[in-house]
Order: sequence, then structure tokens, then C-alpha cells
Amino acid sequence: DAGVTQSPTHLIKTRGQQVTLRCSPKSGHDTVSWYQQALGQGPQFIFQYYEEEERQRGNFPDRFSGHQFPNYSSELNVNALLLGDSALYLCASSLVGQGSDTQYFGPGTRLTVL
Amino acid sequence: GDSVTQMEGPVTLSEEAFLTINCTYTATGYPSLFWYVQYPGEGLQLLLKATKADDKGSNKGFEATYRKETTSFHLEKGSVQVSDSAVYFCALSDNYGQNFVFGPGTRLSVLP
Repeated sequence: DAGVTQSPTHLIKTRGQQVTLRCSPKSGHDTVSWYQQALGQGPQFIFQYYEEEERQRGNFPDRFSGHQFPNYSSELNVNALLLGDSALYLCASSLVGQGSDTQYFGPGTRLTVL
Repeated sequence: GDSVTQMEGPVTLSEEAFLTINCTYTATGYPSLFWYVQYPGEGLQLLLKATKADDKGSNKGFEATYRKETTSFHLEKGSVQVSDSAVYFCALSDNYGQNFVFGPGTRLSVLP
């Protein structure tokens, strides 16, 4: 049973560029959440997608956007990158459609903005 | 808003020592409570969870009890191993996973 997978593993961008991160949820899961984890801190909730719609959003600017596809996989897009966007971006999947709130995390994508 | 507070680290213990990592929370309603562990260079792994008051979550020798009266979910292990060295995150989920809040994490180092 494949767990949550994310790509790419690492990414280096420069300020002002745009980036797309990808996530495939655990088999059978219908919900994907994205988190930003700065060095030495806990994950901060960005947003959650369920049934291809943004279900809830954390305190992040509109530069952060996402998408969920019919196969439940998801993308996180960040426009106009800032140095402060450098972080580990975590994707988590869950089976909210059946009332489960346990999230399973992928290994993350390490984004470095120069 | 909802929040989670954890004891500050780092925590350094000798192998076979007793571990407690304190966690308290603030939430409306009746959240589910979780402990996640993050090993170096990896993503978060679910360690244990509890969904209602007085529930005890347990896994791999770790335990935590959901205490509604003290709004706490302290993590304990009777005898730690070097392989337990990692960062531990306490978290809560309210409203069926729509609001997932993590604490800042506590780094544990276990020395042989």
C-alpha cells in the first residue's frame, strides 16, 4: 500500500519565480492538506482540498494556491516567491469523507528560495 | 483560535530513562489529539491519537491520555532508546480534520 508521495524532493528557485509542488495521497484517501514547516518550527496549515474544492484555508496570502484532481492528487502553487518561502512543504492525506481526521504525511519537498 | 503548547526542548536523556513531554491545548468543542514524530530528514509519522476524554493512545511503548479537565495530552515512555531520538509534535484536529493545529515540537536526544 503506497503511502503519501511528494515531488520533487528538493527545489531551488530565485525570488519572484513561481513553483509547483505535487502530492499523491495514500491509497483510498480523499482529502489532501498542505503545510509549510519552517526550520525548527511546527507545520503551519496552508489549505485543505476535498472533492476538488478548497475546504479550509490557513493564514497564507493568495500567492499560495492549490488544486485537487479527480484522482485526489494535488498541487501547491506559489507565485512571486520570497526568501521567507524557503521551508519544507508537507502534504498530508486523510479520509474525511468517512469522518476520519487522522492525517498521514509525505516526506516533504524542501524549497530553497535564493 | 485553537492552539497547542509544548514543553520547550531540547530534552536530553540517557538510554532507558523515563520520558515525559508535556502538551496542553486550547480548543473550542471536542478536538481529537495526536502525537506525531519526525525523524531527521523525514516527514511526520503518526505516533498515537485519542479522540475523546479519558482515551489513552499508545504505540511503540509511548502513551498519552486525553485529559479534558486539564486540557492536556502528555506523552510518556517508560524506557527510551537511542532510536527514539527525533522531534515530537503534539497536534489537535477540530471539526473533522478541517482545522489541524500543531505545537512547535520538542526535540528529544537519547544518549547511549
